Amino acid sequence: AQSVTQPDIHITVSEGASLELRCNYSYGATPYLFWYVQSPGQGLQLLLKYFSGDTLVQGIKGFEAEFKRSQSSFNLRKPSVHWSDAAEYFCAVAAGSSNTGKLIFGQGTTLQVKP
Amino acid sequence: SAVISQKPSRDICQRGTSLTIQCQVDSQVTMMFWYRQQPGQSLTLIATANQGSEATYESGFVIDKFPISRPNLTFSTLTVSNMSPEDSSIYLCSVSSPGLSGYTFGSGTRLTVV
Repeated sequence: AQSVTQPDIHITVSEGASLELRCNYSYGATPYLFWYVQSPGQGLQLLLKYFSGDTLVQGIKGFEAEFKRSQSSFNLRKPSVHWSDAAEYFCAVAAGSSNTGKLIFGQGTTLQVKP
Repeated sequence: SAVISQKPSRDICQRGTSLTIQCQVDSQVTMMFWYRQQPGQSLTLIATANQGSEATYESGFVIDKFPISRPNLTFSTLTVSNMSPEDSSIYLCSVSSPGLSGYTFGSGTRLTVV
């Protein structure tokens, strides 16, 4: 069965510093992978997704993620964090063989940004 | 991408009562999903709402507790029945469709049971 692991429950970075949030997935075939952000009291916003092709994916708000099949990872990165990036981040994989099946979410990583 | 209207946005309910949450999409979609997010937790899928057939429930969730309707390709409801304080969570609907690039989520219903 597919699963997603986000090893870091909580991360604190200084404003302007670089950021990397880790995500590991378990799936036999080519996965459909997503990163979502949830600000306090808000719904989920899609940051980026990987379906196929270029393994480096660009998203909104200056985020990018790299799919590494050999490491079963899909880590999210941002070169310079802004205070407004403080939020909960979720990695997810689409179950099944399409990109329209149910999503399985990781546990989430809470990002705190220090001034 | 699709636009979802989810209602109500929040509610405070008495234990033992039921609440029905509505999810309206501005376009026809194939798959609709209902998730629960307990306080401080990640999202857990409750069920997949299939148009014209019964919903498919995940392990740990049953139809008697979370009945779902899907009368057409743009609308679904989730009812939380016989509520207890443990049902206090955010409930979110989500849609996907072969024509959409990914998944869209409603803004969620924040439910507090007292």
